Amino acid sequence: GAVVSQHPSRVICKSGTSVKIECRSLDFQATTMFWYRQFPKQSLMLMATSNEGSKATYEQGVEKDKFLINHASLTLSTLTVTSAHPEDSSFYICSARGDGGGTDTQYFGPGTRLTVL
Amino acid sequence: DAKTTQPPSMDCAEGRAANLPCNHSTISGNEYVYWYRQIHSQGPQYIIHGLKNNETNEMASLIITEDRKSSTLILPHATLRDTAVYYCIVRALYNQGGKLIFGQGTELSVKP
Repeated sequence: GAVVSQHPSRVICKSGTSVKIECRSLDFQATTMFWYRQFPKQSLMLMATSNEGSKATYEQGVEKDKFLINHASLTLSTLTVTSAHPEDSSFYICSARGDGGGTDTQYFGPGTRLTVL
Repeated sequence: DAKTTQPPSMDCAEGRAANLPCNHSTISGNEYVYWYRQIHSQGPQYIIHGLKNNETNEMASLIITEDRKSSTLILPHATLRDTAVYYCIVRALYNQGGKLIFGQGTELSVKP
């Protein structure tokens, strides 16, 4: 299967700071990328969908000004958690899909564990 | 997207086949059935997907009933490394960008 990487794998920050997470598709061009969040003992929750060169579409209840998404190229998307607070501590997972339209398989990154102190 | 129903947990003996059921009674004609699994503290891993025919790959087999209202993922010879949460997801191809919406999945424990 295709490879999706995330960086960093783990980050600890102080409350009020901003954190940027990178997501890269290593061996295919990802026209669409997705960002998920997962709290302990819970399933993945979709936060937003982004298409290369377009603004991200956020799911209901997700603050777009707090979770800034940039999908500037076909292989890179970034999620910036602005003014992070302890309640933002979570496992953030990105996913990428190729340019075969809606039929392409979606592949996931390894996740980034964010801890806000 | 259509919702799916899976048992919350299952056990399987190592070396035996693991059969994971999924109900998707409201599936639409253009929706595929996808299976992913998530090993603890990792990102989900794609396993297999299908529309109406049975599918097999190096990881698993997918059996979809003729009416498409349910499916079964089969791991033919389960190993301890197959212990994970398995998600059955019905995905709309083009509506809403074909998003994958995760349910609670089945936590499979493979025991020695």
